[in-house]
Amino acid sequence: EAGVTQFPSHSVIEKGQTVTLRCDPISGHDNLYWYRRVMGKEIKFLLHFVKESKQDESGMPNNRFLAERTGGTYSTLKVQPAELEDSGVYFCASRPLNSQETQYFGPGTRLLVL
Amino acid sequence: GENVEQHPSTLSVQEGDSAVIKCTYSDSASNYFPWYKQELGKRPQLIIDIRSNVGEKKDQRIAVTLNKTAKHFSLHITETQPEDSAVYFCAASRGGGSYIPTFGRGTSLIVHP
Repeated sequence: EAGVTQFPSHSVIEKGQTVTLRCDPISGHDNLYWYRRVMGKEIKFLLHFVKESKQDESGMPNNRFLAERTGGTYSTLKVQPAELEDSGVYFCASRPLNSQETQYFGPGTRLLVL
Repeated sequence: GENVEQHPSTLSVQEGDSAVIKCTYSDSASNYFPWYKQELGKRPQLIIDIRSNVGEKKDQRIAVTLNKTAKHFSLHITETQPEDSAVYFCAASRGGGSYIPTFGRGTSLIVHP
């Protein structure tokens, strides 16, 4: 079974530019989560999808961040315009709908905003 | 909301020694406590978890203990090996439903051969 995949693995952009991150969850997993880890800090929750619906987006930092999951399969997270403080590792995780709490993480996208 | 504190931030041990990582949480309603291991350049992976109805759980060289009264839980690794070197994250959540875990800041464990 393929795991959670994320693209790109790394991204270096300049302040003010736009970046779109993609997450492909494990096939059949209706729950999809986005997290961010800034260097040396905790893995922080951003938002949670159940299928195509946003269940909880309380962790989104501001309106420069837009997440979508059209069709309930893969998800994108767009940052526009990017700021220096957006740098970090963005993780995606997925979980089946009616299961225990175990989440399966992707390898992350390392974003550096210069 | 929940707040999870994790200590130490860095832990260096000799191969064969034991390692202990401690976490505290603030939400008394939290009832699910997973531990994740992230090796360099790889994804975080669940290594062990514990629910609030038990005080200890073991899996080979790894064990987790939970003290609900004190609101703290710990990861114990015995007979450490170089491949145990990684960043370890604890987390706490109310479990079930939408399940949004709150993570600690991570502990970088270095096992010297």
